[in-house]
Amino acid sequence: DIQMTQSPSTLSASVGDRVSITCRASQSISIWLAWYQQKPGTAPRLLISKASSLESGVPSRFSGSGSGTEFTLTISGLQPDDSATYYCHQYVTFPTFGQGTKVEIK
Amino acid sequence: EVHLVESGGGSVQPGGSLRLSCAASGFTFNNYAMNWVRQTPGKRLEWISVIDWSGENTKYADSVKGRFTVSRDNARNTVYLQMNRLFAEDTAVYYCARADCDSTGCYRSEYWGQGTLVAVSS
Repeated sequence: DIQMTQSPSTLSASVGDRVSITCRASQSISIWLAWYQQKPGTAPRLLISKASSLESGVPSRFSGSGSGTEFTLTISGLQPDDSATYYCHQYVTFPTFGQGTKVEIK
Repeated sequence: EVHLVESGGGSVQPGGSLRLSCAASGFTFNNYAMNWVRQTPGKRLEWISVIDWSGENTKYADSVKGRFTVSRDNARNTVYLQMNRLFAEDTAVYYCARADCDSTGCYRSEYWGQGTLVAVSS
């Protein structure tokens, strides 16, 4: 299985801040990476696919980058509604997820 | 609007069985593969199965292979997950999700149900 490792596990930032979450794959996955947002009691919401392709309806403050083994999700101008847990997800083969990054608003 | 509703979760003893259902609406069901993904109490997400549009092709994670069986009834717009020989480690919220296909397979999902809780305990 391809292991996905996210960092940090938790981050706390202020409204308006630019924050980044990193996801590393144990082997190259090209661009086959998605990012999900999950709020308590709800299902994951797909934000980004193919490493950098923003899904319809997702605010433009979210962006993704990377290829191979290292990827980044960036939120430019953190909003209160962005308080959630974020997961990366590789789908080049049998899919695996990162362990999640909890984003808190100060 | 795409709508997925899981049912069939509950409490079961180790070694027991459950069958989950996922009723789909708002899209042409027999045009899409479907995934099952579970989330453990520790919030870890684990993909467990995919079934293609016809029901003829299925894949499973190693952790459930030989114990779980996915199937679908396109006339009823429903996908099922039969879970046998359940262990405590199978305790999780189980989500069905409409699969979006890429050249690598049908493992990415934009639309998810609300999930159904399966608790395996003696």
